[in-house]
Amino acid sequence: AQSVTQLDSQVPVFEEAPVELRCNYSSSVSVYLFWYVQYPNQGLQLLLKYLSGSTLVKGINGFEAEFNKSQTSFHLRKPSVHISDTAEYFCAVSDVDGGFKTIFGAGTRLFVKA
Amino acid sequence: SQTIHQWPATLVQPVGSPLSLECTVEGTSNPNLYWYRQAAGRGLQLLFYSVGIGQISSEVPQNLSASRPQDRQFILSSKKLLLSDSGFYLCAWWSALNTGELFFGEGSRLTVL
Repeated sequence: AQSVTQLDSQVPVFEEAPVELRCNYSSSVSVYLFWYVQYPNQGLQLLLKYLSGSTLVKGINGFEAEFNKSQTSFHLRKPSVHISDTAEYFCAVSDVDGGFKTIFGAGTRLFVKA
Repeated sequence: SQTIHQWPATLVQPVGSPLSLECTVEGTSNPNLYWYRQAAGRGLQLLFYSVGIGQISSEVPQNLSASRPQDRQFILSSKKLLLSDSGFYLCAWWSALNTGELFFGEGSRLTVL
């Protein structure tokens, strides 16, 4: 079974500063990794995903994440945040075999201050 | 293009009353369908998933049930709501034609009083 740990429940940051949201996972099988963003009272939308290949993946809105297999991590980064990035961010993992059940972390609330 | 619809968007129900949340997907065939619940500070909990009509897998024992009467319709139900059923319910779909990610509806916020 897979599990996902998001190490920070809240991350306050000033506008135009860099940010890193941390995510660790555990799994006994190969996995796909995802970051989703959720704005208030809305569903989730995909930011980026890692399926295979290059360990550095780029997503929408200037976000990127790096897959580190040895450390079982998939941290999300952005070099310069905007007020509009204020949202909740979820790291998720799904197995690459049948079922495609996606397991989510508890979420990290990113709060960008002016 | 594919779309997913959930309704109602919000509802307030008394304890002990029944519940029916509906989710429909358009623009795809034979998707996997999922119900998640989001409680404050607890992330998303997978409640049910379905790989086809009439096929339901339950992830956690609870007061809720799910049904899939048609290929692109997924219903979440309860006969008698509990206070602990309050939360934000999200429907999602996945297809083998995609590359792994889920597509979510806008969610249904349930408050049980």
